[in-house]
Amino acid sequence: GAGVSQSPRYKVTKRGQDVALRCDPISGHVSLYWYRQALGQGPEFLTYFNYEAQQDKSGLPNDRFSAERPEGSISTLTIQRTEQRDSAMYRCASSLVKGPSDTQYFGPGTRLTVL
Amino acid sequence: AQSVTQLDSQVPVFEEAPVELRCNYSSSVSVYLFWYVQYPNQGLQLLLKYLSGSTLVESINGFEAEFNKSQTSFHLRKPSVHISDTAEYFCAVSQGGGFKTIFGAGTRLFVKA
Repeated sequence: GAGVSQSPRYKVTKRGQDVALRCDPISGHVSLYWYRQALGQGPEFLTYFNYEAQQDKSGLPNDRFSAERPEGSISTLTIQRTEQRDSAMYRCASSLVKGPSDTQYFGPGTRLTVL
Repeated sequence: AQSVTQLDSQVPVFEEAPVELRCNYSSSVSVYLFWYVQYPNQGLQLLLKYLSGSTLVESINGFEAEFNKSQTSFHLRKPSVHISDTAEYFCAVSQGGGFKTIFGAGTRLFVKA
């Protein structure tokens, strides 16, 4: 596709359920980022992939959060045993090359609501 | 640790007036600086960035930002705004050797006719 896509766009779940959020980056992009954005705040870094290698997961808030990118393309962010505080917009971004200087292209986000 | 402060959460301005959106960062090493814009009902997109060289960088739609190392600032300016500039603007910083990009809380620019 022409841009970064994310699915689902909206997800409502009950507390305690697991959720999986998908990101499909721009074809050929090496780097993939996951962010969480609370209302009224900027994106908060969660994790970074260089191809399939997860090179920085320092922003994942706890061990309920995990991410993978097994073939160096599509990525999945999984939240286990969701809690109400996990409610937020989850954004994915990709960039062409490795490194922090490259332009990031953002997807539309997945709005997660935990009841 | 890096941090980014956007000093104004909302900036209302009349069409054709000048505007400045302020951004300060903290970092002890050389940094890369970015402004991203989010138009209503759209995702974030890059407006402009500073990597090295000239401290003044410009976007294609008339915005400019100046990197000021001594004041650790990267303020965004436009001499004459349009209604279509209404959006949320995010300042961001990253540094060489890492992968993390730190975003500010955002400034909502509201241009009134």
